[in-house]
Amino acid sequence: GAVVSQHPSWVICKSGTSVKIECRSLDFQATTMFWYRQFPKQSLMLMATSNEGSKATYEQGVEKDKFLINHASLTLSTLTVTSAHPEDSSFYICSAREVWRGLVEQYFGPGTRLTVT
Amino acid sequence: GEDVEQSLFLSVREGDSSVINCTYTDSSSTYLYWYKQEPGAGLQLLTYIFSNMDMKQDQRLTVLLNKKDKHLSLRIADTQTGDSAIYFCAEIGQAGTALIFGKGTTLSVSS
Repeated sequence: GAVVSQHPSWVICKSGTSVKIECRSLDFQATTMFWYRQFPKQSLMLMATSNEGSKATYEQGVEKDKFLINHASLTLSTLTVTSAHPEDSSFYICSAREVWRGLVEQYFGPGTRLTVT
Repeated sequence: GEDVEQSLFLSVREGDSSVINCTYTDSSSTYLYWYKQEPGAGLQLLTYIFSNMDMKQDQRLTVLLNKKDKHLSLRIADTQTGDSAIYFCAEIGQAGTALIFGKGTTLSVSS
């Protein structure tokens, strides 16, 4: 299947700093990418939907000024957690959607573990 | 709204078959998916089924879809210890929206 990469795979930062997470689709073009957040032993919560070249659509309760999403190209989306706080510590997973001959497949990155101290 | 439900735990012995069940509410779902998540890792797409299909088989995996009852199942034949993971079912709701996930079923395989 298609490959989605994320960088970094884990990051520890101090409270008040900003962290950028990159998501890349390696062998396909993704017009739509998604950012999810997963708390321990819980399901994935959709944070935002990102379409290339346009503003991201955020889910209710997700602060768009805190979680900045940029989808600059068909293979790259970034999530920046601004002024991070300990409650932002979580596992962030991106996903890229490929539509090929009418088939919709969605692939996930390996995730980024963010710890805010 | 859209909702996906799964049982939380399943425990089987190595070599047995595992059946993970899922129910969903959105009758307009076009695709239904099964993902596997190993500890500390992202999600791996296992298989998916289009809503006009009843069954799909892929090696040890068999997906059954009962669209009338909005019930999806994943059967893993000859379950191995390496199959121990969390399995998520997911649906695409209305066209263009993101996947809606169940809470995940933790499969534990004992030898």
